[in-house]
Amino acid sequence: AQKVTQAQTEISVVEKEDVTLDCVYETRDTTYYLFWYKQPPSGELVFLIRRNSFDEQNEISGRYSWNFQKSTSSFNFTITASQVVDSAVYFCALSGATDSWGKLQFGAGTQVVVTP
Amino acid sequence: DGGITQSPKYLFRKEGQNVTLSCEQNLNHDAMYWYRQDPGQGLRLIYYSQIVNDFQKGDIAEGYSVSREKKESFPLTVTSAQKNPTAFYLCASRPGLADLYNEQFFGPGTRLTVL
Repeated sequence: AQKVTQAQTEISVVEKEDVTLDCVYETRDTTYYLFWYKQPPSGELVFLIRRNSFDEQNEISGRYSWNFQKSTSSFNFTITASQVVDSAVYFCALSGATDSWGKLQFGAGTQVVVTP
Repeated sequence: DGGITQSPKYLFRKEGQNVTLSCEQNLNHDAMYWYRQDPGQGLRLIYYSQIVNDFQKGDIAEGYSVSREKKESFPLTVTSAQKNPTAFYLCASRPGLADLYNEQFFGPGTRLTVL
């Protein structure tokens, strides 16, 4: 069975502060795929990043960065110098290679509130 | 523009009625998915389909039905058997059957309220 845990229900920050969202996963697959999605108030999920289990390189995209550590089964997401537009719910998701259907197991999500 | 459309955006239903949520994609994707989202919770998989005329139950299929008569369309029917249907419903699609590394693309969602 696969499981994704996002222990932080809500994080509130003031604009320009950094915020880190935790994601811990469980899977028996040796090959798996991890994803982060953003859900703004409009409701549509927006894809942010994907990572496969063999690629532990950290990634930076503008103000966003991701830290993937297989040793701790974590795939954390940091927003640097947060802005009001970053206010959204962020989901971490997992797909295992033994599931040929590409189904995603989602975490419960973390609500990020950025105030001016 | 390529994408996924869901209609209607808001839907109100009386108890005991069936209702059908539309999902259409013009991305030429093979796989399509339906998720349910309740407040403060993650997405839970209702049904999914990899090819036309074939679909599989997800984790919470009871009270729901789907069809996949065309590649671009995957409508979801919420039946009267679904005991607590008020939720936000999201449709998604993914290209290809073999490459699991592809992300799922999501539609804008339908918010269903049972009165």
